[in-house]
Amino acid sequence: GAVVSQHPSWVICKSGTSVKIECRSLDFQATTMFWYRQFPKQSLMLMATSNEGSKATYEQGVEKDKFLINHASLTLSTLTVTSAHPEDSSFYICSARGGASTGELFFGEGSRLTVL
Amino acid sequence: AQSVAQPEDQVNVAEGNPLTVKCTYSVSGNPYLFWYVQYPNRGLQFLLKYITGDNLVKGSYGFEAEFNKSQTSFHLKKPSALVSDSALYFCAVEVGGFKTIFGAGTRLFVKA
Repeated sequence: GAVVSQHPSWVICKSGTSVKIECRSLDFQATTMFWYRQFPKQSLMLMATSNEGSKATYEQGVEKDKFLINHASLTLSTLTVTSAHPEDSSFYICSARGGASTGELFFGEGSRLTVL
Repeated sequence: AQSVAQPEDQVNVAEGNPLTVKCTYSVSGNPYLFWYVQYPNRGLQFLLKYITGDNLVKGSYGFEAEFNKSQTSFHLKKPSALVSDSALYFCAVEVGGFKTIFGAGTRLFVKA
């Protein structure tokens, strides 16, 4: 199956700083990637749809200025959590559809953010 | 509203016994249905999908799922559970040919 790589796996930062999470499709081109947030023992919440070469589409209730998404190439999307606060601590997961597949998503390994 | 329901927060089963993880959906049109598995602190892994055709779909690790249109269900099954199957399972449906909606997840515990 298609491989999606996410980095970093773990990050701890101080309140007020910004953190960047990278999501790469390693063996296929992804014009669209998806960013999710997962709270403990809960399902995935779609935050935004990242579109290569254009602005991301954010879900209702997600702050665009807080969660900056850039999709500058067909293999890389980044999520930047700006001015992070403890309530932003969460597990963030990216996904993309494989180049030749029908429908299924391929997920990164996730990034656990802890804001002190 | 389009939605996916997983009525059980947790399913407990003994190793070697059959397992079922339930999923029902509410979408307009013909659904694309999926099951994913998540291990602790990891991303999700694709297990199987139903697009069209045979209602019984076989997937990875011996899992299968049965699409039932009249009951709008897509239950995940395995004839003989393994301890290593213990994980969090998500049912999902693709809507509008683009966005994927996930169920709340069901935690499976397989006891040795």
